[in-house]
Parts: sequence; structure tokens; C-alpha cells
Amino acid sequence: SQTIHQWPATLVQPVGSPLSLECTVEGTSNPNLYWYRQAAGRGLQLLFYSVGIGQISSEVPQNLSASRPQDRQFILSSKKLLLSDSGFYLCAWSISGLANTGELFFGEGSRLTVL
Amino acid sequence: AQSVTQLGSHVSVSEGALVLLRCNYSSSVPPYLFWYVQYPNQGLQLLLKYTTGATLVKGINGFEAEFKKSETSFHLTKPSAHMSDAAEYFCAVRTSTSGTYKYIFGTGTRLKVLA
Repeated sequence: SQTIHQWPATLVQPVGSPLSLECTVEGTSNPNLYWYRQAAGRGLQLLFYSVGIGQISSEVPQNLSASRPQDRQFILSSKKLLLSDSGFYLCAWSISGLANTGELFFGEGSRLTVL
Repeated sequence: AQSVTQLGSHVSVSEGALVLLRCNYSSSVPPYLFWYVQYPNQGLQLLLKYTTGATLVKGINGFEAEFKKSETSFHLTKPSAHMSDAAEYFCAVRTSTSGTYKYIFGTGTRLKVLA
């Protein structure tokens, strides 16, 4: 069966420090991968999505970047964190192509607090 | 552009009472619609989904939702609330851009169950 792992679960970082959140999917190949940010009262905001290695699409201009160095690995990064980067970050995946069943499968999330 | 509106950011019901969480969507194509549940500091778990076919969809934990095209709605119901239903619920619609699937989420409804 497929599983998704996301880490770290919690992170407290000072303003101006770098960030790296990692997500890996097991039990499937060539998944579509997504990074969402959840802020209180604002629902889920799509940050990045990827349909293949090295293929990253950004939804909103911001202080963050994403990379997909391997088929089932998705990394969210920042060179210098801002206070406004605080939030709950969720990685998700879906089946690609004709086998797509429709839904997204989510990781457990990473809570980032920037001080 | 596709969008999702959830009416009521907070809903309170008594234990044993009917749960009704409202979701309206906007989509230029036949939509795929989803309800997810989120417990504190966790990822999102799929409750149910509508893709095609029967408009009344049954999900886990006794929840169901009805797709009403004429009303562009996909409301979530449960006949009898249980204390364990207290959580945040998100409605989502899947969109497609150049063959790539993206998922748009509502801002969420926090369900409180009163003893």
C-alpha cells in the first residue's frame, strides 16, 4: 500500500534562517505531488505542485521554493524565513495519468513557527 | 475559475443531532468533489468523494453528501453526531489545467459537538 511521510513534524526557526521540509511517498511511482500551507481561518493554500522529476509549478509568488530531486521526493525550502512563513505545511500526492482515482492523499503535516 | 465556498466557519450541534455542513462550488466542467476531515495537528483524511454516477455518496464514519448540479452544492450530512466527530471539515473541488490536476479547498468548517 502507498504511504506518505513528511518531516520534521514541528520546527521553530528564527527569522532569516533557512528552511527545508521533506516529503516522500512510498508504494507508487510517478505521483503528482503538492505542497499546501494552512493558516488559521484561511483554509489550504496551494503553494507548489509537480508532475515529474524537476517539474515544479508555483501557484503564488512568495519566499518559498520547491524541488523534486527524485520521483517520490518533494522538498519545500526557503533561504531566509519571514514571520509570515509560519503555518502548517501539508504535503500531498495523487495518482497520475489514467489511473487517477480523483483524491489527494495527505501527509501528517509540518508545523513551522518563525520567531 | 473553479472555487469552493463553505458556509459557516464554525458549527455547533448537540450529540445525537443532525450534522449539516454546507459547501457550494463553482466549476466550468463536471466537477470532482471531496470532503476531508482534519483532527488537530494532523493531515487531512478523505471522508468521501463524488466523481461520476450516483449523486448521493456515502463515506466513512456515517457521513454522506449529495451532489446537486442545479444548486452547485455538495453538502455533508450525518444523521446523528458523535463526540468523536468534532474536527475541521474541508470541501474541495478538483480542477484540470493542461492535463494537470489541482485541488481547490474551501476555508473549512470547525464542527463542535456538545454533550
